[in-house]
Amino acid sequence: GDSVTQMEGPVTLSEEAFLTINCTYTATGYPSLFWYVQYPGEGLQLLLKATKADDKGSNKGFEATYRKETTSFHLEKGSVQVSDSAVYFCARGPNAGGTSYGKLTFGQGTILTVHP
Amino acid sequence: GAGVSQTPSNKVTEKGKYVELRCDPISGHTALYWYRQSLGQGPEFLIYFQGTGAADDSGLPNDRFFAVRPEGSVSTLKIQRTERGDSAVYLCASKVGGTGELFFGEGSRLTVL
Repeated sequence: GDSVTQMEGPVTLSEEAFLTINCTYTATGYPSLFWYVQYPGEGLQLLLKATKADDKGSNKGFEATYRKETTSFHLEKGSVQVSDSAVYFCARGPNAGGTSYGKLTFGQGTILTVHP
Repeated sequence: GAGVSQTPSNKVTEKGKYVELRCDPISGHTALYWYRQSLGQGPEFLIYFQGTGAADDSGLPNDRFFAVRPEGSVSTLKIQRTERGDSAVYLCASKVGGTGELFFGEGSRLTVL
């Protein structure tokens, strides 16, 4: 079945460091891909998304590119801040044309801690 | 409020008891989803409603789990004869139809002793 494999954490960085969190997905069909973020004490929020191959999603300085050839959707940020400390989840939606667009398959999450 | 509201935020119960978890979606959102998040894991899909009907309940783990949405707005997830393995955070999410963004509530944390 559909699956998403995420880089295991936790990840600890100093402020202004470069961030990469790896994510790969099973290659059935052409799913939409997402990164969600969960800040302490808050619900899951959509960070960015990409709906087709070579699309780049971006938000709040974070970017991820839909790579069909490597079935990957790695999250990157050039300079992290303390306020980026959170849990990050990669997710895939159903295949293009599927009717249940909110039925997502999530990775296990990566805890990011950024120190001043 | 403007977001997805879930109650209770925390529920502690004893093995074998019955539990109800409530979700109040964003007004006007026709699609509603329930997910379960175990400790250290990502959310796992349970059930999806489009309007009043369950369009996809393939993620419900067994027949102890049941969910309703009688008027197409508020939904209740019902768990009978709870087991310790049911302990998790139960997340509700809603969206407008089609490819709109999914909005999550903060979840109901269930602990079964």
